[in-house]
Amino acid sequence: KAGVTQTPRYLIKTRGQQVTLSCSPISGHRSVSWYQQTPGQGLQFLFEYFSETQRNKGNFPGRFSGRQFSNSRSEMNVSTLELGDSALYLCASSTSGSGIREQYFGPGTRLTVT
Amino acid sequence: SQQGEEDPQALSIQEGENATMNCSYKTSINNLQWYRQNSGRGLVHLILIRSNEREKHSGRLRVTLDTSKKSSSLLITASRAADTASYFCATARWETSGSRLTFGEGTQLTVNP
Repeated sequence: KAGVTQTPRYLIKTRGQQVTLSCSPISGHRSVSWYQQTPGQGLQFLFEYFSETQRNKGNFPGRFSGRQFSNSRSEMNVSTLELGDSALYLCASSTSGSGIREQYFGPGTRLTVT
Repeated sequence: SQQGEEDPQALSIQEGENATMNCSYKTSINNLQWYRQNSGRGLVHLILIRSNEREKHSGRLRVTLDTSKKSSSLLITASRAADTASYFCATARWETSGSRLTFGEGTQLTVNP
């Protein structure tokens, strides 16, 4: 089976712009979770989608949003980018909800905000 | 906030030696998972231990869980240079809003050839 894929792998944006990141889970996985990783805050949970419904959300401002499509592919959007949004964004897929079983991570999207 | 705290933050050993990493957490959990990350890339799942289990093995990995002390340890035996990576523990708990994984700060392991 193909692994989790994320596009794009690298992205450079300017403050105030918005960005959309994409994640394709492993075939058959219905749960997709998103995480932000920074040197200062570590790995932080953003949100989880299961069968097109957001089931759980971390403590991030409303500028961070996401969605999941019927084929389980997921996108996350960050509007009005701030310098502090520079991070590695990881998505992970699982057969069940995040935390219930092991998660399979994609390679991440490295976002740099200038 | 991070649920888990890992100890040590960094560990440097020689090939062939064993490496032990510890993880402590604060609240009740349903399971605890260990992941490895190579230099800014995606995480790789290593092992999952349920709250009613005390020890689990997978190849050269041994994980223990002590729910009374809210702690876990990961032992890598006969380490190799390829084991050089960051290791994270992650706790899973069911909440009214769903389940989530909460990661620790990680241990940077360097295995010198």
